[in-house]
Amino acid sequence: QKEVEQDPGPLSVPEGAIVSLNCTYSNSAFQYFMWYRQYSRKGPELLMYTYSSGNKEDGRFTAQVDKSSKYISLFIRDSQPSDSATYLCATFTGGGNKLTFGTGTQLKVEL
Amino acid sequence: DAMVIQNPRYQVTQFGKPVTLSCSQTLNHNVMYWYQQKSSQAPKLLFHYYDKDFNNEADTPDNFQSRRPNTSFCFLDIRSPGLGDAAMYLCATSRDGYPYEQYFGPGTRLTVT
Repeated sequence: QKEVEQDPGPLSVPEGAIVSLNCTYSNSAFQYFMWYRQYSRKGPELLMYTYSSGNKEDGRFTAQVDKSSKYISLFIRDSQPSDSATYLCATFTGGGNKLTFGTGTQLKVEL
Repeated sequence: DAMVIQNPRYQVTQFGKPVTLSCSQTLNHNVMYWYQQKSSQAPKLLFHYYDKDFNNEADTPDNFQSRRPNTSFCFLDIRSPGLGDAAMYLCATSRDGYPYEQYFGPGTRLTVT
């Protein structure tokens, strides 16, 4: 079993839809939870991170962590075609320097 | 703009022919990372530098080496590339104590023929 599981998609939604992207993890030692966006043939870009459980909002993006169920979510409101990318979740225990990534969910927002 | 730069963006090498990928950063971060990412897979950490302190991942093949001559530059050397080494190679940086805020370069796509 992988430490971080993520549905690969592809997920296709119409412009303006609310998108929900999710990950589950198995290691209860994870304390930090990140979402990266990766456009085709580019490097990942950090969208936001959350420490422990709770919600964090940044513009149209909301990250949510439920440590009791080991579930991580990213919500995108008013989705745009420019949001079309692969979204990677990542986790970190708080010690050392190593992140654990999911395999990414490919999102396509259609006009 | 502060950034992470990788050169070349695309590299084609022959089976067994050594290749070097480079990464430079203007962020002045003291931690630099090298990842391998294959299609539809998670980035896989190969190794990282904390300043000049090299940290190898246990499952990184000996075929992969790295050098960091100064804060700004880091190199990935693949001594004898095999077909299975074809991948995107990503360089990333972070500040000390903030590994959850990693800044990635655009990547180098390596093809092995």
